[in-house]
Amino acid sequence: ETGVTQTPRHLVMGMTNKKSLKCEQHLGHNAMYWYKQSAKKPLELMFVYSLEERVENNSVPSRFSPECPNSSHLFLHLHTLQPEDSALYLCASSLGGGSTGELFFGEGSRLTVL
Amino acid sequence: DQQVKQNSPSLSVQEGRISILNCDYTNSMFDYFLWYKKYPAEGPTFLISISSIKDKNEDGRFTVFLNKSAKHLSLHIVPSQPGDSAVYFCAATIFSSGSARQLTFGSGTQLTVLP
Repeated sequence: ETGVTQTPRHLVMGMTNKKSLKCEQHLGHNAMYWYKQSAKKPLELMFVYSLEERVENNSVPSRFSPECPNSSHLFLHLHTLQPEDSALYLCASSLGGGSTGELFFGEGSRLTVL
Repeated sequence: DQQVKQNSPSLSVQEGRISILNCDYTNSMFDYFLWYKKYPAEGPTFLISISSIKDKNEDGRFTVFLNKSAKHLSLHIVPSQPGDSAVYFCAATIFSSGSARQLTFGSGTQLTVLP
């Protein structure tokens, strides 16, 4: 079992659908992240949760709604998405505080919006 | 405006030779730098890092060099192996005593090592 697990690995949805991406980490970390990777672009940080509190929201549209019920689980709720939201969504976790900040990534959820 | 730039989208190198991947940054507040490697259908994995108090860090075949005055870092892989073929991302951060750390990533360089 990998340290950071994301489900589903692939998701196709219409613009009117509501779906959720799930992330689970088994590393005992206390910070979790959502990143978006579009083709030929840098990974874009979307949300950061530390100790289950959201500490960063990088101007992400409200059609993306994160949820962190505990330090091991992170969700990204999706509704009324646009075709340009099609991308690879990566979850990551890390030890916060004085750690050197290496992120441990999941394998990603490939999202296609029709 | 991208604060971390990888200007070469791709690089091809012969097996056994040196691979040099470059990264430039604009934010002088960055004080910790990391390289990640990503294979297709997998998430990025941490490779090597360097603090701004150093100018070189070595781990086996991988060496990262940091030139703070030029705001430039590079990753050297010697000798290159076909299994090194992947996308390499450079990342930078500002050290913080807070409970989470934000990384700013470059757009990646696709390395292909030819047998």
